[in-house]
Formats: sequence, C-alpha cells, structure tokens
Amino acid sequence: SQELEQSPQSLIVQEGKNLTINCTSSKTLYGLYWYKQKYGEGLIFLMMLQKGGEEKSHEKITAKLDEKKQQSSLHITASQPSHAGIYLCGAGSGSGNTGKLIFGQGTTLQVKP
Amino acid sequence: GAVVSQHPSRVICKSGTSVKIECRSLDFQATTMFWYRQFPKQSLMLMATSNEGSKATYEQGVEKDKFLINHASLTLSTLTVTSAHPEDSSFYICSASNTPNSPLHFGNGTRLTVT
Repeated sequence: SQELEQSPQSLIVQEGKNLTINCTSSKTLYGLYWYKQKYGEGLIFLMMLQKGGEEKSHEKITAKLDEKKQQSSLHITASQPSHAGIYLCGAGSGSGNTGKLIFGQGTTLQVKP
Repeated sequence: GAVVSQHPSRVICKSGTSVKIECRSLDFQATTMFWYRQFPKQSLMLMATSNEGSKATYEQGVEKDKFLINHASLTLSTLTVTSAHPEDSSFYICSASNTPNSPLHFGNGTRLTVT
C-alpha cells in the first residue's frame, strides 16, 4: 500500500524566516494535495499538484511536485504567526481518481513572533 | 463553494451509548463522502467510504458493525458510533468533493469523548 512520509515532523521558526516541508511517497503520485489544519479543527485546502514538475504558488506558499512524481515540497517564504499549524500532504490511494486520500503524518509548524 | 458541514462539533457520551455524527455537503451533491479518524498529534486515518444509496466501503481493520454509515441522500452522510467505549474517543472528520477531479473539502470535525 502507498505510504506518505513527511519531514520534518515538527518545525519551529522565527517570524520572517523561510521554511520547507517535504512529502515523499513510496509509489508514484497521481495527485498530491497539501492541507493545513489547526489542532482540533478541519482541514483547509492549500494546493493540488498533478503533473510531474508542476509548481503552484498562493500568497507566500509554494508547492512543487518532482518530475518523477514521488516527492513534493511545500515552501513558505517570510513566515508569519498565521502560518502556524499542522501541514498535511495527501495523495490519491490508487491510479484511478476515486477521491480517496491517504495522508502523511503531518508537520507541526510553530512561528515565533 | 464546496462547503462541508459537520455536526456536532463536540460530543460527550457515556460508555455503552451510541452517537450519531452528521456530514452535509451544503452547496453541492456528493455521491461519495469519506470518514476519517484522527488521534491526538497523529495524522488522519481513512475509516470508510460512504456511498449514496449503497453500502459503505470500510478500510481494513475498521469494524463496520461498530461504525455504522448511512448515506441516504446526495447531501448527507451519517456516522454512528455504536456502543461507544473510551477507546472510541477521537476526532472524527468527514470529507467530500464536488467534482471527480477536485480536491476534497473537509468538515470541521467532531470531537468525541466517551466517559
């Protein structure tokens, strides 16, 4: 079965610093999704990547999917306290688009003012 | 658009009772919804796929008689935790997508505490 490994598991950065979170899959990704979660709350969709080499940006967050479609990174530029939370990568669990996602274990980000 | 609403947000129940959690797609129809469970400081584990008008598909290791899923309409799926025990205490969260190639949208989750 497919597994997603995120690194690091937790991260503490000073406000204004850049950071990167990685997500590695044991199998080829057919769709990679990044979500943000505040503890005890629902997930907020950030970005979806489907093509090898694809890169998307929204405000200060950039996500990339490598050419082999087995690794993705999420980069935050000039971090702010509002970026704090749990970042989860999710991937379709099969080659067909069943809509079913499996998730990495999450990366907890703290941003110190 | 694509809003998923979950109710209740928190519930406390006594051991042995049953609890029903509702998941609604507010502005779209969802033939399929997904139920996840999340333990503290852990990731989301897929429990089951809720299919409108047919039986739910459960992931390996999830007891279908324990976690009853009903998807009676295109906008509502319910998860009933039957004969709840303290080990069922967890954060349950549902999701759905409005089109086949669009990302999943999640409800705000339900914190279940069984005493």
